[in-house]
Amino acid sequence: DAKTTQPPSMDCAEGRAANLPCNHSTISGNEYVYWYRQIHSQGPQYIIHGLKNNETNEMASLIITEDRKSSTLILPHATLRDTAVYYCIASGSGNEKLTFGTGTRLTIIP
Amino acid sequence: EAGVVQSPRYKIIEKKQPVAFWCNPISGHNTLYWYLQNLGQGPELLIRYENEEAVDDSQLPKDRFSAERLKGVDSTLKIQPAELGDSAVYLCASSFGQGVKDTQYFGPGTRLTVL
Repeated sequence: DAKTTQPPSMDCAEGRAANLPCNHSTISGNEYVYWYRQIHSQGPQYIIHGLKNNETNEMASLIITEDRKSSTLILPHATLRDTAVYYCIASGSGNEKLTFGTGTRLTIIP
Repeated sequence: EAGVVQSPRYKIIEKKQPVAFWCNPISGHNTLYWYLQNLGQGPELLIRYENEEAVDDSQLPKDRFSAERLKGVDSTLKIQPAELGDSAVYLCASSFGQGVKDTQYFGPGTRLTVL
C-alpha cells in the first residue's frame, strides 16, 4: 500500500464544512483511496472510497486531484458527532489489509 | 442488522497468563480480520481469514499468538503467554469479500491490560 500523509490535528466550527487533506504521492494506478474514521472507544467506520473520480455519499464527499497524488475528504456540515480520528488509506482492494497511519484528529468546535 | 460482536470488551490479566478474545462477524461476511491497535496509533492487521482459511497471517507473532475460525463463522484470537507489551485494543472486522468495492465493518474492540 502507498504511504499516506495527513495533518495530525484540525479544528472545525460546528455547521461549517470540514476539509481533511491527504497526500499519497506514491499511489499506484490500481490503488484506491479509502477513508475511515474512529470515534473515541469505537472501532473504525468506513466513510467513502474512490479511484480517480470525485465521489459523494450520504456521509461525505471525496475530491481526488487529477494526478491522484492527493485528496480531500469533505464533511459538508460538521456536527459535534463528527469529532473523531480520520484515516486516509491507499489500497488495491477494500477487503485486503488496510494500512492505517496515525490519521487526523478532527475536533468540531461548538 | 447486528454489527460485529466482540467479547469481552475489557480484560485485565497478569503477565504470563493466557487470554482469549472472541468475535462474531456480520452474518454472510466471508472475510474476517483481527487488528491490533496500540495507544495513539492506527490499527495494524494481525490476520485475515477468507472463510476458514487464514490467507494473510504474516504479521501474527506466532510464538505466542494463535487464531482460529472454525466453520468459517466466528473466530477466537489467543495469546499465551501474555506480555506487558501486549496491552492494546484488539479489533475484529468483517467484510463480504468483494474486492475493491468491499468495506470492512469493525467491532468495538477488546481492551487488554497486562499487569
